[in-house]
Parts: sequence; structure tokens; C-alpha cells
Amino acid sequence: NAGVTQTPKFQVLKTGQSMTLQCAQDMNHEYMSWYRQDPGMGLRLIHYSVGAGITDQGEVPNGYNVSRSTTEDFPLRLLSAAPSQTSVYFCASRRLSTGQGYQFFGPGTRLTVL
Amino acid sequence: GIQVEQSPPDLILQEGANSTLRCNFSDSVNNLQWFHQNPWGQLINLFYIPSGTKQNGRLSATTVATERYSLLYISSSQTTDSGVYFCAVELTGGGNKLTFGTGTQLKVEL
Repeated sequence: NAGVTQTPKFQVLKTGQSMTLQCAQDMNHEYMSWYRQDPGMGLRLIHYSVGAGITDQGEVPNGYNVSRSTTEDFPLRLLSAAPSQTSVYFCASRRLSTGQGYQFFGPGTRLTVL
Repeated sequence: GIQVEQSPPDLILQEGANSTLRCNFSDSVNNLQWFHQNPWGQLINLFYIPSGTKQNGRLSATTVATERYSLLYISSSQTTDSGVYFCAVELTGGGNKLTFGTGTQLKVEL
């Protein structure tokens, strides 16, 4: 199993540009989520999904869109990038069944917005 | 929302020393996990431990849900243990949102 994969690893954008961060998992996990990590801070939840066709907002959703058309994929879209979105982005997945709660993270995408 | 506090924020150890990291949370939880973020930024799950005690090699964790805290023990620390340790919790009935603490930065020196 590849686990949770993310592309790209690094990205530089100009203010106002749009882009999509890709995330995929091959563990058949119902739950997928996106976090951002800023220096000196923990991870903050952006959006999450409990299954295909179902998404919801986390703690810091503004400026980001998500969709979940398949169990495997959960892309994160930045519609109009701003310098405040410079961060490291992590995708994660886990089972929702009780006692199966281990969360697995992808390697991260380091995004710089100029 | 739920508050997750970790202590200490920073810790420096000599190789071979033991340490205890603490995570306090403000409400009833049905999911608590400990993660290690290595110096290269990779996040690795250590324990899924909403209650009770678990051990994995030199690491062990205990969660006392009724008193709203969890402890991570590292024994005989090694330089490879360096990095940031995060506690993350999900409120009972909290809609599947895993909230992270701000972490404990650990440095193990020779």
C-alpha cells in the first residue's frame, strides 16, 4: 500500500493564482481531511469528509474548497491564493469505525504565496 | 471548541534519559492520538488511546479520560526521538474533527 500520497511536494504561487493540491489514499478509509501547519503552531483543520459526496468545514475553511467524488481522492482547491495561505498542507485519512481511529498523514505540500 | 494543552512546550534531554509529556483536554473525548513529527516534517502516528494504557517498545501512553489528560512516556531516549510530539483529540459527539495541541518540541542530545 502507498498509504496517503500528496502532490506536489513544493509549490510557489503568485497572489491571485489558483491551484489544486492532490491527495489520494489506497486504504479504503471513509474519512479524509486537510490540515495546514504554520510555524510554531499545531495543525489546524481546513475541511474534512466522511465519505464520497460528503464534505464539511473545519476550523479554518475560508479561501479553500474541497470535493470528494471517490473514496480514494480528496483534492483541496485554492481559488485565489493569498500570502496568508503560505503554509505546509497535510492530507490525512482514517477509518471511522470505533477502535480503528489511527490517522495516517501524507508527506505534506509546502506552499509559498508571493 | 475543545481546548488541548500540551506541556512542556520544549524539552532538551541527554541520550538515555526518560521523559513524560502531558496532554490536557477540556471535554469528554472519544478519540485521542499521539503523533511524532520528525525533523523532516513527516507525521507518524504513535498511539490511538482514548482510554487506558498502551506500550510500544520504549514508548508508552496512558489516558485517564475521566480526569481529561493523557501522558506519553519516552524511556531511554535516543537522538532519533527528536522532533515535535502532538496530542490530538476528538470530542465525543464532536463531528469527527480531530483537534491538535501545539506540541512539545523535544531535542535529544548525545
